[in-house]
Amino acid sequence: EAGVAQSPRYKIIEKRQSVAFWCNPISGHATLYWYQQILGQGPKLLIQFQNNGVVDDSQLPKDRFSAERLKGVDSTLKIQPAKLEDSAVYLCASSLERGSTFENEQFFGPGTRLTVL
Amino acid sequence: SQQGEEDPQALSIQEGENATMNCSYKTSINNLQWYRQNSGRGLVHLILIRSNEREKHSGRLRVTLDTSKKSSSLLITASRAADTASYFCASKFSGTYKYIFGTGTRLKVLA
Repeated sequence: EAGVAQSPRYKIIEKRQSVAFWCNPISGHATLYWYQQILGQGPKLLIQFQNNGVVDDSQLPKDRFSAERLKGVDSTLKIQPAKLEDSAVYLCASSLERGSTFENEQFFGPGTRLTVL
Repeated sequence: SQQGEEDPQALSIQEGENATMNCSYKTSINNLQWYRQNSGRGLVHLILIRSNEREKHSGRLRVTLDTSKKSSSLLITASRAADTASYFCASKFSGTYKYIFGTGTRLKVLA
């Protein structure tokens, strides 16, 4: 079974530039998550989709971050404009979850390491 | 912050010893999961324990949950060098759909 795919793996940009990350979840997984992990900390949920709909985006800085999940499969996360504090690893995860209990394990992709200079 | 706190922050043990790490949280949960993160395999799910369960086992892993103390512990028995990683608890709080990850424990197993 193929895992969660993410690209690019690394990205270096100047502050105020834009950047986009792509995620392809495991086939059949209804729920998709984007996390931000700053060095030395645990992952912080940015946005959670179930199929096309947003389940939670309470910690997404909506003035600069946006995310979409077209047709309930792939997803993109965009930052525009980037700030120095956005330097982190951006992790995508997916789970089988189709209901509302959210007890299924999450499968994580390898992440995109973003450096903002 | 709802984020779980884990302790110790770092732990160094000899191969063959047991490793125990703890996770505390602030409000009631539906369930709690433990994940491992290393450079080779990224973040990997280890075990889930529900709020009505007190203990679960999976191979060399033993997880306990004490809802009265709002804490969980992960025990790794007979540790191996390959267990070197960061371990995170992720709590699903009652009334929410999302998991909040803890700050992590960095475990180093010396051969």
